[in-house]
This record gives sequence, C-alpha cells and structure tokens, in this order.
Amino acid sequence: SQTIHQWPATLVQPVGSPLSLECTVEGTSNPNLYWYRQAAGRGLQLLFYSVGIGQISSEVPQNLSASRPQDRQFILSSKKLLLSDSGFYLCAWTRGTGNNSPLHFGNGTRLTVT
Amino acid sequence: ILNVEQSPQSLHVQEGDSTNFTCSFPSSNFYALHWYRWETAKSPEALFVMTLNGDEKKKGRISATLNTKEGYSYLYIKGSQPEDSATYLCAFEGSDSWGKLQFGAGTQVVVTP
Repeated sequence: SQTIHQWPATLVQPVGSPLSLECTVEGTSNPNLYWYRQAAGRGLQLLFYSVGIGQISSEVPQNLSASRPQDRQFILSSKKLLLSDSGFYLCAWTRGTGNNSPLHFGNGTRLTVT
Repeated sequence: ILNVEQSPQSLHVQEGDSTNFTCSFPSSNFYALHWYRWETAKSPEALFVMTLNGDEKKKGRISATLNTKEGYSYLYIKGSQPEDSATYLCAFEGSDSWGKLQFGAGTQVVVTP
C-alpha cells in the first residue's frame, strides 16, 4: 500500500531563517506531488505542483520554492522566512491527472515564524 | 482564482440528527468535484470524487450529490454520530487544470451527544 511521510510535524523558526520541509511517498511510482498551505481561518491553498522529477509548477508568487530531486521526494524551501509564511503545510500525492484520483495527504507541518 | 464556496462555515448537530451542507463552484470547465473529511490532529481523507452531473455517491451514512450545470454539490450526513465531527472540504478540479484542486474553506461539523 502507499504511504506518505512528511516532516517535521511542528517547527518554530525566526524571521529570516531558512526552511526545508520534506515529503516522501512510498508504494507508488511517478506520482503527482503537491504542497498546500492553510493559513489561519482560510482554506487550503495550492503552492506547488509537480508531475515529475525536476518539474515544478508554482501556483502563487511567494517567498517559497519547491524541488523534486527524486521521483517520490518533494521538498519545500525558503532562503529567508517571513512572518506571513506561518501556517499549516500539507504535502499530498495523486496517481496522475485525468483519472479522478483523489489527493492523499501527509500529516502536515505546523510552521510558526516568530 | 476560482470561487469555491462552502456554507455554512460551521454547524452544530445533535447526535442522531441528519444534516447537510453546500459547496458551490464554477459551472464552466468542470472536470471533477472532490469531498474530503478533515478530523482534528489527522490529515484530510478523501470521501468522494464526483464527475458526472446528477451523480450521487454514498459511503456509510455520508452521501453527496452533484449538479454541474448550476455548480453545486450537497453533502449529507444521516444520523450524525460524534465521530462525524470534522471539517468537510470540497475541492473543484477544472478541465483546464487537471490535478490542481481549488479548495473551499470548509464546513466544520460538531456533533454533540
């Protein structure tokens, strides 16, 4: 069966510090991978989307970047965090487009930028 | 940015009562409508992926209907139980943006014994 791992679960970082959140998927190959963020009182916002190694689509302009160095690894990064980067970050995967595949989410990372 | 709206924002239900709530979405470029349940301290879990106008899906006491022409979906919970307490999210998937789901803000359901 497929599993998705996301870490760390919680993180408190000062403004201006770097960020690296990691997500890995097991039990499937060539998944579509996603980073979503939930800001306080708001819905899930799609940040990045990847259909393959090295292929990243950025959905909103922001202080963050994403990379996919391996087929089942997705990394969310920032060189210098802003207060507005605080939120709950979720990694997710699907089997691919056009086949009604639901998203499968990781357990999320609660990021607080102080 | 697409408008995916959910109402109400929250609702309280007595155990045993049935309830329903709404998701509205763009009626153009429709591909699929997703429903997820998000329990506290857990990750969102997929309930349904609906693609056909008039479609109705059921999972235990939870069911959903879909109207793609007018752009809305209802989620129903029959005989609510405390374990149904969660935030229910809908997400729109457009034919011009496969795989990129636009989520509503959710309906928080609290079922009290």
